[in-house]
Amino acid sequence: NAGVTQTPKFRILKIGQSMTLQCTQDMNHNYMYWYRQDPGMGLKLIYYSVGAGITDKGEVPNGYNVSRSTTEDFPLRLELAAPSQTSVYFCASRETVQETQYFGPGTRLLVL
Amino acid sequence: QQQVKQSPQSLIVQKGGISIINCAYENTAFDYFPWYQQFPGKGPALLIAIRPDVSEKKEGRFTISFNKSAKQFSLHIMDSQPGDSATYFCAATGAGGTSYGKLTFGQGTILTVHP
Repeated sequence: NAGVTQTPKFRILKIGQSMTLQCTQDMNHNYMYWYRQDPGMGLKLIYYSVGAGITDKGEVPNGYNVSRSTTEDFPLRLELAAPSQTSVYFCASRETVQETQYFGPGTRLLVL
Repeated sequence: QQQVKQSPQSLIVQKGGISIINCAYENTAFDYFPWYQQFPGKGPALLIAIRPDVSEKKEGRFTISFNKSAKQFSLHIMDSQPGDSATYFCAATGAGGTSYGKLTFGQGTILTVHP
């Protein structure tokens, strides 16, 4: 039982490039989330999903897209990377009836 | 309405001392208040959580105090240890099916416990 896994661990992007951050959970959780963490700002919700095929925007969705084709996977897409997207990205999941969110180890992204 | 404000930004405590981190919220619809602990290079992990129907919850050395009328809650770490050195986040989420467990986080507190 690996929990929530994220790839890659670290990536450097040039402005305007695109990439997909991968997130997989093996706990059969319906709810999944993407957060970004900036120094001194806490974690802010980018997108979330309540099940396969169902996604919705969080607090800071601009510049990102998501999809949820399976229960296990919830990739985050950056289409045109900007320096403002330099951050650490965390994926999380939880059961429908339990409050605890389980976080992955994070992806550190640097946009230059 | 959705903000959770956390203080202090950083905290230095001697081993054996008490660490206290405070949070305040605005949205009265919040009904679940967790604290997450994060070590460098790791994702946050749930430490302890409380609902507004109780004023205090204790788990080992960690205690949450909750003041519903003041819309404030705090984390107390008794007998602080160097291994407690981490970043602590308070968070909140609302009641009802439409909240979907979306967490609003505080800004975080970097705790350093000196031996």
